[in-house]
This record gives sequence, structure tokens and C-alpha cells, in this order.
Amino acid sequence: DQQVKQNSPSLSVQEGRISILNCDYTNSMFDYFLWYKKYPAEGPTFLISISSIKDKNEDGRFTVFLNKSAKHLSLHIVPSQPGDSAVYFCAASASTGNQFYFGTGTSLTVIP
Amino acid sequence: DVKVTQSSRYLVKRTGEKVFLECVQDMDHENMFWYRQDPGLGLRLIYFSYDVKMKEKGDIPEGYSVSREKKERFSLILESASTNQTSMYLCASSLGMIHYGYTFGSGTRLTVV
Repeated sequence: DQQVKQNSPSLSVQEGRISILNCDYTNSMFDYFLWYKKYPAEGPTFLISISSIKDKNEDGRFTVFLNKSAKHLSLHIVPSQPGDSAVYFCAASASTGNQFYFGTGTSLTVIP
Repeated sequence: DVKVTQSSRYLVKRTGEKVFLECVQDMDHENMFWYRQDPGLGLRLIYFSYDVKMKEKGDIPEGYSVSREKKERFSLILESASTNQTSMYLCASSLGMIHYGYTFGSGTRLTVV
């Protein structure tokens, strides 16, 4: 059963606007979350993380928000750029666990 | 710059062949992982290893085995390749289990015909 879900397989956004990518999880033990970005024919690269002691983490144009009660996190990209077009995966893990669980990915297209 | 290197970017193999996918990391990481990526299914863990000669099954180990004889190298073996193993295979490594995240290789696109 999928413990981490990204319900939007794709998203299109105009350049300069905000992109919001969503992720839901089911396991209440998860307390550490990552976002990865993947271009075609390349491996995923780490983008940003957040632990459950925070509800927001910011790095330049990228901000991740965590709502623990809703078991939901989101990645905001502002402003969106064409180079942001990629597949984005969220991943979750429990501190007591031994692996990350990945979502199915959201393909973001930023239209110039 | 830290690196995870997968030996092949593209492979085409015949049904029934034994296939070896090799992964090498130069970061002295204890932990190594093999995932496959399929459309609509995301990244699914096949096997992982937290030490030399140690291995644990992930979510989809059937049809696969692994070998970790040296810390830097983690091999994925398809004992008898089948068409449903056509996929993108991604190797990753990490220093610690959780808070260090993973470093991924570039992937191997395997096609079984």
C-alpha cells in the first residue's frame, strides 16, 4: 500500500507564477521528509528537506510546508522558471526506520 | 564532488538472461539502495544494504538478488530477466539511514526483449 501519495501526476504553470506540488502520507510515524527533482535520463537530486519539528523550511525559491495534523506537505516554487520543469518526488521516513518511502512523482512543466 | 556511478546508462537484454547492474560510490557511505522507477508507480525499493555483505529486502525483491562484497560497490542481479523487469533502475547511497538523505546515480534504463 502506498504510504506516500502525490495525487497530481502533472502540473503546468506559467513562468514567473507559483508552482505548488502536494504530497500526502499515511504513516504517523514519519517525521522526516525530502523533495527530490528528477530530469529525464538522470538520477533524482536532493532539493529540500523538513523535519517534523518544523512546519516550514525555505531555500531560495523553494519552500516546503508541513501540516502534521493533516499528514500533508507541499513544495512551493516562486517564481517558477522553465528550468524547473522536471519530475518532483516527495519522500518520507521515520527516525526509527531504515528507508525512505517515495511518492509517485509530479511532472512539472513551466511554460515560458 | 560526491558520486554514485552506475556502469551502464542503457542496456538491452533477452528474456532469460542473467543481468548484472553495477553501482559504485566514492563517498565511503555505509548504506546503499537499489530502486526501480516506473511510470505511475514512483520509486520502489528492491534491496538495500547497510554494511558489507549485509542486505535486506525492500518492497519488491522478487526476481532480484544483490551482492555487496566491498563497501563501495553494490550489485543488482536479475537471475533470469523477464519483460516485466524492463524499467529504470536507480542506485543510491547514504551516510546514515535517515537524516542525510540519499545521493542517486544517473540510472540504468534496462529493456528486456
